[in-house]
This record gives sequence, C-alpha cells and structure tokens, in this order.
Amino acid sequence: SYELTQPPSVSVSPGQTASISCSGDKLEDKYICWYQQKPGQSPVVVIYQDDKRPSGIPERFSGSNSGKTATLTISGTQALDEADYYCQAWDRSTVVFGGGTKVTVL
Amino acid sequence: EVQLVESGGGLVQPGGSLRLSCAASGFTFSDYDLHWVRQAAGKGLEWVSAIDTAGDPYYADSVKGRFTISRENAKNSFYLQLNSLRAGDTAVYFCAREQGSGSGFDVWGQGTMVTVSS
Repeated sequence: SYELTQPPSVSVSPGQTASISCSGDKLEDKYICWYQQKPGQSPVVVIYQDDKRPSGIPERFSGSNSGKTATLTISGTQALDEADYYCQAWDRSTVVFGGGTKVTVL
Repeated sequence: EVQLVESGGGLVQPGGSLRLSCAASGFTFSDYDLHWVRQAAGKGLEWVSAIDTAGDPYYADSVKGRFTISRENAKNSFYLQLNSLRAGDTAVYFCAREQGSGSGFDVWGQGTMVTVSS
C-alpha cells in the first residue's frame, strides 16, 4: 500500500521558518494537501492541490511538490502555529495520510 | 453556516455493530464527495472510507468487508455502518467533505467516539 513519510517532529523559533517534508513514490504525479490539527480539535486544511491556500489561511503558509517530496513551509512562525501537521494524497481510489509532524515553537 | 455533525458513537463489544451518521447543512450536499477519517488516541489520522457524488464507495483495506458507507442526498446525510468491530477500531471518527480529488477536506465534523471493548 502507498505510504507518505513525514518527520515526527520539527522545532522552530518564533519568527523563523519551519519546513515540513512529506515523501512518497511518484509524489509529483499526485495532488498533496496539508492539514493542521491542534489538540482536541478537528483538522483544518491549510494547503490543497500542492500549493493553494484556502481563504482564511494566513499567507505565511505555503506548499510545494516536486520529485518525491512535498513541503509545507511556515514563514515567520508564530506560537499559535504549534500543532500537528499531516500531508494527504489520493492513491488509486484510496486516501493516504502521512504519519504527522508535531511542530513545536520554542 | 456550513456544518457537518456526527452522531452514533458509543461503547460496543468486540464483534458488535454501530452506525455512525453525519448530518450536513449550509451547502449543496449532492455536489460533494464525503469521507470518514478516524484517529485513535494519541495517533495520527487514518482515512476509513469515502463516497463520491455518484454514490460509489471506497474503503481502506483495514475496514473493507466490515464497514459500509452510504449517503442519502434527500436528507443531507451520510452514514458509516461498522460491523465485526475490533479493539483496533477504537477511535474518534470524523466526517469530512471534499469537492473533487485533491481539493482537500475543507469542512470537518467535531468527531464521534467509538470504543470497542468488553
């Protein structure tokens, strides 16, 4: 079965840039979405179709997808960005989530 | 207000059954693909099942043959029938909508807890 691999954790200082990777076979052939989930809350989509930002999502969130790696970048990270982040893709009529990355703002 | 509201969770014994419901409001229900995603305590998101606008179902291998998804456009609702439940099915179950593959799950419910235990 298809797998998406994320680092378990990423630490970032306030105001700095956080980059979260998501790797998988032939990822460039798929659309990647990214979700933010805070404790006790439902996930929120922050990026869809690799690099599109839904209305209401701050411009500091951006996405890219090339080769075997997709990347979520949070520029000028704020304390309120501390959360779990998941990448997601469709593969042959099933949906796959990455294992999630906990972003800690130190 | 665009909203999805789950119901039907609870405590069930191994081998038992449960039916989850997701009621939608605030949008044209029939235009969207609909999903169930679960999350065990302290774990990541796991996709469970989807049903597209044509009514075609899709399942994760872990639930295929045990769970059944359905939708009722006239009632703006969709469902997940859970049969032959196992301890490993214990999780919060979220419903979500998506308008086309790759467009993202842009609205989620608050989740309903399913506990499988004797």
